[in-house]
Amino acid sequence: DAKTTQPTSMDCAEGRAANLPCNHSTISGNEYVYWYRQIHSQGPQYIIHGLKNNETNEMASLIITEDRKSSTLILPHATLRDTAVYYCIVIISSGSARQLTFGSGTQLTVLP
Amino acid sequence: DGGITQSPKYLFRKEGQNVTLSCEQNLNHDAMYWYRQDPGQGLRLIYYSQIVNDFQKGDIAEGYSVSREKKESFPLTVTSAQKNPTAFYLCASSIAGGRFQPQHFGDGTRLSIL
Repeated sequence: DAKTTQPTSMDCAEGRAANLPCNHSTISGNEYVYWYRQIHSQGPQYIIHGLKNNETNEMASLIITEDRKSSTLILPHATLRDTAVYYCIVIISSGSARQLTFGSGTQLTVLP
Repeated sequence: DGGITQSPKYLFRKEGQNVTLSCEQNLNHDAMYWYRQDPGQGLRLIYYSQIVNDFQKGDIAEGYSVSREKKESFPLTVTSAQKNPTAFYLCASSIAGGRFQPQHFGDGTRLSIL
């Protein structure tokens, strides 16, 4: 699975959009971009995933560049409860049971 | 609501004692996983199961055992052979099939040694 690079930490004001970047320059054509987050002392929470088109669900939007070498997770109206470590991971699409390998992620702090 | 339930939330083990961590899911998922997370680190896979009565070792299976007698349940036993069991243990499940599916996690069990 391709390696990802994320900033160590980011701050965002409550009510504003939080834009979390991720670089995955070695991604291959059959690898998806997945985003998870982990609030302190809880299990990781799945947020969204995509292959090459932009995706949106009730939690967030995922914007993937045309060359697929980077992506941005957007939380449109951040709340204090969105404070968490956000992990961007790249996973090959074939094969159902695969280990999730989290890097160090981005600590997002939403400020009141 | 569908989800994954791990119990207990906190567990203490004496030296030389086996302990069993419970994981139950009502998502009708075929695949289930156990991970270990140490402070400030990522996840490491202990065991996973894609179907009832079958399971495979992950990267750090030594000192652990599992069973998968029912689709809904995937208990993890931490044996006395596991010399450094203090960690946060996470259970996950997913749809099984030919394509990777998102894994959904429980809230974890924090195991400590007395």
